[in-house]
Amino acid sequence: DSGVTQTPKHLITATGQRVTLRCSPRSGDLSVYWYQQSLDQGLQFLIQYYNGEERAKGNILERFSAQQFPDLHSELNLSSLELGDSALYFCASSVEGATNEKLFFGSGTQLSVL
Amino acid sequence: AQKITQTQPGMFVQEKEAVTLDCTYDTSDQSYGLFWYKQPSSGEMIFLIYQGSYDEQNATEGRYSLNFQKARKSANLVISASQLGDSAMYFCAMRVPNTDKLIFGTGTRLQVFP
Repeated sequence: DSGVTQTPKHLITATGQRVTLRCSPRSGDLSVYWYQQSLDQGLQFLIQYYNGEERAKGNILERFSAQQFPDLHSELNLSSLELGDSALYFCASSVEGATNEKLFFGSGTQLSVL
Repeated sequence: AQKITQTQPGMFVQEKEAVTLDCTYDTSDQSYGLFWYKQPSSGEMIFLIYQGSYDEQNATEGRYSLNFQKARKSANLVISASQLGDSAMYFCAMRVPNTDKLIFGTGTRLQVFP
């Protein structure tokens, strides 16, 4: 168990809908990262938050947004969903985000858009 | 821009044998970190081993070792005494300072047979 909790584990929804994925980082970790894993794109970095502030942005679509709350949990909001958004979404955390810090990953949320 | 390349989509190894999974990277930074993660069929991402760019010794963690050749920009993972439970996807990743994000290669699927 990595200590990173993601809910829900599975999500099935329809095109055009909006969903929210939730992540609780390991106790003490200030950095939260979101990744998308799909068969055609592999593991893509979406966005990182550090202590409530956005720190780095990757290949995140404008239809997607995220935030990190004062208690350090994070939410990833996906709107106007398309079939191509079907993927495994990972949350990961680390203490600060230093170069030598490993990321601890949650078990992921499998999103299926029908 | 930083890049990780894993050229082996799939590898087979017999139980108890050693196997090397290739990883090359590209960065102009002098300071960086290299990571290997394992993703079994259950989906979670499991940290295996870390190598810092200034580490003079190759990293080892139990049956895992990292063959770090800085001049060649390669960071190959060596798994000794393979076990059936080693069957999984293996991802090489890199992090550089000032970006915080971890970028991943496309992965190598390892299958261990009896």
